[in-house]
Amino acid sequence: NAGVTQTPKFRVLKTGQSMTLLCAQDMNHEYMYWYRQDPGMGLRLIHYSVGEGTTAKGEVPDGYNVSRLKKQNFLLGLESAAPSQTSVYFCASSRALNEKLFFGSGTQLSVL
Amino acid sequence: RKEVEQDPGPFNVPEGATVAFNCTYSNSASQSFFWYRQDCRKEPKLLMSVYSSGNEDGRFTAQLNRASQYISLLIRDSKLSDSATYLCVVRFWGSQGNLIFGKGTKLSVKP
Repeated sequence: NAGVTQTPKFRVLKTGQSMTLLCAQDMNHEYMYWYRQDPGMGLRLIHYSVGEGTTAKGEVPDGYNVSRLKKQNFLLGLESAAPSQTSVYFCASSRALNEKLFFGSGTQLSVL
Repeated sequence: RKEVEQDPGPFNVPEGATVAFNCTYSNSASQSFFWYRQDCRKEPKLLMSVYSSGNEDGRFTAQLNRASQYISLLIRDSKLSDSATYLCVVRFWGSQGNLIFGKGTKLSVKP
């Protein structure tokens, strides 16, 4: 039972480069989320989705885009990476709004 | 502004000790409350939800005080394996997808 799988686990980008983080869940969850975690700060919500084909902005959406073309996948894109986007990114899913979040193992992204 | 505040610690305690963490939240329009556990360089995992009447799960007891806007987590008979960062999490009314995470309290249990 894979749960929530994120790829890649590590990535180094140069300023201005683009990349996509992939998140897949095999639990048939409706809700999916992208968070970032920075030292000394709590997890902050970037974008989320309440179902296939829908996305919404979270607390810190600037510089990121997302897509949920299939229920099991939630993609996070950085069009032009900036050093301020150096962070650990976590994807999560839940069956319903007020239910337990299942997190992926995280992606360590460094932007030089 | 919706905020969740925790003492960052670290709390260094011997095995077998009882330790308590508090968490305060700024907005009275809060909906639900959770404690998550995060091991070093790992993803957060749900430890327990927090109910208005208080709830217990083995050595862990969570309590909610809505009037004072704080949540607590009590760990009895600490084990080495309890060493982790404990995240206080609040969902506020109208926040749709958004859980607000505290910065976490680090616990280190020593032999």
